[in-house]
Amino acid sequence: SYVLTQPPSVSVAPGQTARITCGGNNIGGKSVHWYQQRPGQAPVLVVYDDSARPSGIPERFSGSNSGNTATLNISRVEAGDEADYYCQVWDSSSDHQVFGTGTKVTVL
Amino acid sequence: QVQLQESGPGLVKPSETLSLTCTVSGYSITNSYWSWIRQPPGKVLEWIGYIYSTGSTNYNPSLKSRVTISIDTSKKQFSLNLRSVTASDTAVYYCARHTRGYSSNFDLWGQGTLVAVSS
Repeated sequence: SYVLTQPPSVSVAPGQTARITCGGNNIGGKSVHWYQQRPGQAPVLVVYDDSARPSGIPERFSGSNSGNTATLNISRVEAGDEADYYCQVWDSSSDHQVFGTGTKVTVL
Repeated sequence: QVQLQESGPGLVKPSETLSLTCTVSGYSITNSYWSWIRQPPGKVLEWIGYIYSTGSTNYNPSLKSRVTISIDTSKKQFSLNLRSVTASDTAVYYCARHTRGYSSNFDLWGQGTLVAVSS
């Protein structure tokens, strides 16, 4: 089955940029979606279709996808960005949804 | 305001069936695909399966033998049945709406409900 690999943790100082990667075989050929999950809460969609933002999501959240790696960037990081982040794709070869291993973002 | 609300028992005994319902409000249940997703405590998200208003379903191969998802459009509800549960099925269970087709992202989630499997 298709595997999405994320770094377990990313630490970033306030005001800096957090970069979260999502690795998968030829992931550049898929649409990648990103979710933010604060402790005790349901996930919230922050980027879809590689780089689009839902309404209400700050422009500080941006995404890219190429080759074997998709990336979520959070610029001008704030304390409120501290959360777990998950990538997600549709695996057409097995016909099911796949989530990444998750990355905990810590704001120093 | 569009909302999803999970409901069902918070405790299920091993070998029994876990049954949950998701109620959709503020949106037509016939307009989207709907999924169940779970998250064991401290672990990652796992997609369980989806359903469309026609009753068409697709399940995660790892759970397919034990899962049934059904829909009642008149009640604006869809449901999850997971048979022969074990402690490893203990998780927060979420229902979610697909933004577009079955292969798309999830743009709306319920708050989640914790189900523990224990005797």
